[in-house]
Order: sequence, then structure tokens, then C-alpha cells
Amino acid sequence: AQTVTQSQPEMSVQEAETVTLSCTYDTSESDYYLFWYKQPPSRQMILVIRQEAYKQQNATENRFSVNFQKAAKSFSLKISDSQLGDAAMYFCAYRSEVGSQGNLIFGKGTKLSVKP
Amino acid sequence: NAGVTQTPKFQVLKTGQSMTLQCAQDMNHEYMSWYRQDPGMGLRLIHYSVGAGITDQGEVPNGYNVSRSTTEDFPLRLLSAAPSQTSVYFCASSSNSRNYGYTFGSGTRLTVV
Repeated sequence: AQTVTQSQPEMSVQEAETVTLSCTYDTSESDYYLFWYKQPPSRQMILVIRQEAYKQQNATENRFSVNFQKAAKSFSLKISDSQLGDAAMYFCAYRSEVGSQGNLIFGKGTKLSVKP
Repeated sequence: NAGVTQTPKFQVLKTGQSMTLQCAQDMNHEYMSWYRQDPGMGLRLIHYSVGAGITDQGEVPNGYNVSRSTTEDFPLRLLSAAPSQTSVYFCASSSNSRNYGYTFGSGTRLTVV
């Protein structure tokens, strides 16, 4: 079974600075998808960025980028020019390419605080 | 707006009561899932469905039932509420294209007293 680990329960960053959230996963599959979701205090789950395992190029979405290391099974999220609105829980998630389930497997989350 | 609609947003139940959390999506998604979120535990899968008439158990299914009679609706039933079921519940849906992830509802905060 696949597992996702986020080793940083809480992180803090100064406004306008850069922060990196860590995520590692365990799988025996070669094809899969990885996601970062943001959950602000409103509770809504918002998809931030996604990565296909077969792509070597790291995904980027504006100020958000990932460092995907397939061999190391690592999928970190970098937030550049941090803003107050980035304060939230961030969840890393894995989704298998094959099999009938196709469910998301989540890490336990990292709470990010942004200091003005 | 297209998306996943969950009702209610908040609910307080007494131990032993039953209730149904409603979930509907208008994106014609095949996959639908229910998760519960507890502090420090992330989101854990309760039940899921890969299409109308097909459901299966997730990681924490005990005390919950689901059915999927239509593509749009996927209700979650609490049979006899217990304080351990106090949690935030999320419904989510996805197309067959797994690279697009899941779209989530706004969640239901359930308190069992």
C-alpha cells in the first residue's frame, strides 16, 4: 500500500520570503500522480499544483513550484514571495495511475504561518 | 457554478442518532469519495465509488454506509452516531482522468455529543 509522509507539522515564513514544504511517499508503482492541496481557514480544499510521475520537468504554477525527485520518492512544494493569503494547511497527496480505486492518499499536513 | 455541493455545513447530533450527509456533483464525474478530517490525521478515506451502483470501503468505514444510485449523488449515512465520529467530512469527485485530481465540497463539521 502507498503511504505519504509530511514530516513538518508546522512551518513559518516571513512575508515575501521563500519556503519549502517537504513530502515523501512510498510506492512500488512507476506511474502515478502527485498533488499539493491548500486548506485555508475557510476549510475549502484547493488544488495548488499537480505532477505526473512520467514527466521529468517539475511543475510550476505562478509562485508555486515543486521539486520532484522520483528516485528518492520526494515531492516538495516551494512557495516564492510568500503572501499572507498563503497561510493555510498544505496536504500532499498521491494518486495511482492503475487499479480500480484511483483514490487520493494524503499526508497528515503541514500548517504554514506567514508573518507580516 | 459547477462543483461538489455538500449539505449541511454544520450539524450537532446526539449519541445514537442517525443522519445522512448529502453530496452532489454536476460534472459527470465517475469517481466520488468521502473523507473525514481529524486534527493531526490528515484526510482518511471512508467509502468511495467508481460509478453508479458501485461502492467500496476505504480506510475507516465502520459506522458509515453509502449508496450510489445516480452518477450525481453520493450520500453518506451515519447509522448510530458516536462521539468518535465527531469530525469534518469532505465529499470529493473526479473524472476518469486521474491527473486532474479531485474536486472537493466545502465540508461538513459534525459534532456528536
